[in-house]
Amino acid sequence: KNQVEQSPQSLIILEGKNCTLQCNYTVSPFSNLRWYKQDTGRGPVSLTIMTFSENTKSNGRYTATLDADTKQSSLHITASQLSDSASYICVVSAKDSNYQLIWGAGTKLIIKP
Amino acid sequence: DVKVTQSSRYLVKRTGEKVFLECVQDMDHENMFWYRQDPGLGLRLIYFSYDVKMKEKGDIPEGYSVSREKKERFSLILESASTNQTSMYLCASIRTGTEAFFGQGTRLTVV
Repeated sequence: KNQVEQSPQSLIILEGKNCTLQCNYTVSPFSNLRWYKQDTGRGPVSLTIMTFSENTKSNGRYTATLDADTKQSSLHITASQLSDSASYICVVSAKDSNYQLIWGAGTKLIIKP
Repeated sequence: DVKVTQSSRYLVKRTGEKVFLECVQDMDHENMFWYRQDPGLGLRLIYFSYDVKMKEKGDIPEGYSVSREKKERFSLILESASTNQTSMYLCASIRTGTEAFFGQGTRLTVV
């Protein structure tokens, strides 16, 4: 069964600190992996998208990594800001379907001043 | 910028009412999706459409129907709202092979 699992479920860190969020998946055959940021009460917004051949991608202070062999991805946030408080969702799509996206439950990140 | 607009941010309806949630996108995307999001469960796919007048059931279609009469508009219908349909509803629009763009969400409360 195609699944995406994220850890931790929630995380609280102090402003200015770094953090890393984890995503493990069992989707096969793999097409791409995306990280989304979702502010409370808002729709998700894309941060990065990575295909099989990409193992790292950055978007400002966000850096995503992908290990297709171990089926793991991480999202690293550098020098956190209060505006980084949000849910971060890992989404994987399978190669044989352009339509089905398998969503993780998300990591709730809280940045404290 | 792609814009996906949902008709309401907040909605309160009574049990048994017929509820329409509208979603409009302005980028000529062929694929549109309706999800619901509940705490601890992530996004769950209700229905999706990959072309006008085409629709496919997602993971949790029971109690819902959809309509896609025009490419830019995808409507979610709750035929007879129930309290277990209280949730956040998210519409997404995708050009095949690219990222999903989401509307701002509709928080529906059924009382």
